[in-house]
Amino acid sequence: RKEVEQDPGPFNVPEGATVAFNCTYSNSASQSFFWYRQDCRKEPKLLMSVYSSGNEDGRFTAQLNRASQYISLLIRDSKLSDSATYLCVGYTDKLIFGTGTRLQVFP
Amino acid sequence: EAGVVQSPRYKIIEKKQPVAFWCNPISGHNTLYWYRQNLGQGPELLIRYENEEAVDDSQLPKDRFSAERLKGVDSTLKIQPAELGDSAVYLCASSPAGWDQETQYFGPGTRLLVL
Repeated sequence: RKEVEQDPGPFNVPEGATVAFNCTYSNSASQSFFWYRQDCRKEPKLLMSVYSSGNEDGRFTAQLNRASQYISLLIRDSKLSDSATYLCVGYTDKLIFGTGTRLQVFP
Repeated sequence: EAGVVQSPRYKIIEKKQPVAFWCNPISGHNTLYWYRQNLGQGPELLIRYENEEAVDDSQLPKDRFSAERLKGVDSTLKIQPAELGDSAVYLCASSPAGWDQETQYFGPGTRLLVL
């Protein structure tokens, strides 16, 4: 079983839609969690950190549930430019990446 | 501020040939990482350097992979000999020392194709 698991998708949604990605992790010692964004043939870039209290950055909301070992990312009012792969990442003494969830926003 | 620089961006070689990748981290970042990203997967750590010292190389296939970070700045990752299964994107990342190691900045990667 992978330490961080995600649905690979793809998620195909129209512009303006709300889309949610989920991720589960198996290592309860994981200290921190992140969402990274990776555009096609580009490097991963940090999108946002994930806190138990939930955090919001514009149209993006991330949530951590330690009891269920579950992480989520919500994107509201999807834009064409949101099309990318979203990587769920846990941190113990190193970053552990999920396989990524591919999002395609269409007009 | 300049980001992480990697070269070459693309490399095509035949199996059993050697290949080397170069990385220049962000200025002032003491920690340097090499990752491998296979198609459809997330990056996986190969080796982490704190300055010149390799502090985690547990995932580096040492029979054919080697890395060095002389002078604690630039780093080179080498594969000799390359195998078909080594085809992947090799990403270099860096982070400041201390608590902010969770935040890593990635270079554009070297896309390797072994024929």
